[in-house]
Amino acid sequence: GAGVSQTPSNKVTEKGKYVELRCDPISGHTALYWYRQSLGQGPEFLIYFQGTGAADDSGLPNDRFFAVRPEGSVSTLKIQRTERGDSAVYLCASSPTGLANTGELFFGEGSRLTVL
Amino acid sequence: RKEVEQDPGPFNVPEGATVAFNCTYSNSASQSFFWYRQDCRKEPKLLMSVYSSGNEDGRFTAQLNRASQYISLLIRDSKLSDSATYLCVAFNQGGKLIFGQGTELSVKP
Repeated sequence: GAGVSQTPSNKVTEKGKYVELRCDPISGHTALYWYRQSLGQGPEFLIYFQGTGAADDSGLPNDRFFAVRPEGSVSTLKIQRTERGDSAVYLCASSPTGLANTGELFFGEGSRLTVL
Repeated sequence: RKEVEQDPGPFNVPEGATVAFNCTYSNSASQSFFWYRQDCRKEPKLLMSVYSSGNEDGRFTAQLNRASQYISLLIRDSKLSDSATYLCVAFNQGGKLIFGQGTELSVKP
C-alpha cells in the first residue's frame, strides 16, 4: 500500500523483555516521527528523524528507548527492559519536508504494546 | 503545564448543533497551528490549518489569537459523522508537532 505501515499491529510482552516496533514510511518522505498515545491522551512526541539522523530525540522518556533509521527509510523503535507503564499505542508518521507549510503528518495505524 | 491544553470533554450535542472547542498553547515561539481529527481506535488525520485571519472549510472554522495564545475550532450544523476526538496541534521551530490531549465530541440523533 501507499500509506505508512507499522508492524506488529499488536504486541503483548512480559515486563523486562525487549521489544522492537517497525515503521515503513511513505516512499520519498524524508521526515519520520514516533509518537506514543495512551488511552484518553493525545499523541506524545518521542523522536523525529530527518533522513538518517535523529533531528530531535527530546521526547524519549529514558535510556531504555532508542530508535534508528539507518538508510533513511524504515525506522525501528527499540524498548529495553519493558515496564507496565510502557503500554500504549506507538504511532509512526511521515512527512515530506516543510511541515511548517502544511502541518500534515501521515500516520500509520499504530503498534499497540501491552506489557504484562 | 502541558505545552498544548484542551478541554477533554466529552461534548455531547444533538445533530444540527453548533459546537466550539478551545485550545491554549504555552510556547510563544510556536510557528503554526492545526486541528487533527481522530476516530475511535484510528490514527489522527489532519483536519485543517489555523490562521490568524481565520480559516473556514465548509462547516468548520478555525481561528488563532496569537496575543492570547488561543486557538478555536467551530463546527456548525453538526453531523453524526463528526463524532470523533479533535486534537489541537502546535508546530515548533524545532520541527515537531505537539498535540493536545484531544477533545471528544459525540453527536447524537
